[in-house]
Amino acid sequence: NAGVTQTPKFRVLKTGQSMTLLCAQDMNHEYMYWYRQDPGMGLRLIHYSVGEGTTAKGEVPDGYNVSRLKKQNFLLGLESAAPSQTSVYFCASSEELAANTGELFFGEGSRLTVL
Amino acid sequence: GENVEQHPSTLSVQEGDSAVIKCTYSDSASNYFPWYKQELGKRPQLIIDIRSNVGEKKDQRIAVTLNKTAKHFSLHITETQPEDSAVYFCAPRGDDKIIFGKGTRLHILP
Repeated sequence: NAGVTQTPKFRVLKTGQSMTLLCAQDMNHEYMYWYRQDPGMGLRLIHYSVGEGTTAKGEVPDGYNVSRLKKQNFLLGLESAAPSQTSVYFCASSEELAANTGELFFGEGSRLTVL
Repeated sequence: GENVEQHPSTLSVQEGDSAVIKCTYSDSASNYFPWYKQELGKRPQLIIDIRSNVGEKKDQRIAVTLNKTAKHFSLHITETQPEDSAVYFCAPRGDDKIIFGKGTRLHILP
């Protein structure tokens, strides 16, 4: 099993450009999350999804959009990138909390630089 | 989760000594209490967790204690080793929205 896979792993953008980060999980998890982590900082929740076709806002949703058209995929979009969006982005997935565990499984991260 | 605070933000301990990190939360519906470890340049990974019907859980040198009445839980690392140097995060969970604490950077001094 690959677990949680993020693509791309690195990307450099110019201000105003758009891009999409793809997160794919092969564990049949219902819940998926996008976090950003700035240098020396914690993980801040951008958006999350509790199942196919659903999305919800997290702590810092502005400037981002998401889609969950398929259960295994969670896409994070930047419509008009800004230097403040330079960060490492982590995707994570989990089973429902009612199951045996509520553990979050993370991807390796995607490093995005906006010039 | 909702409001989640971790203390201290940085902790330096001598190798072999113990380390304790505390996490406080505001959401009384929280019922799953994990600790994640993030090594430099790596992804966060679960190291120990506890559910609300248990007060303490131990796994070799690490343990987690929960005080649900006071809304806090703590990570205890005994006999610290160089490989324990990392950032540790709590992420109490009661519903779908998972908020992380700001992290505690643990330095193990030789």
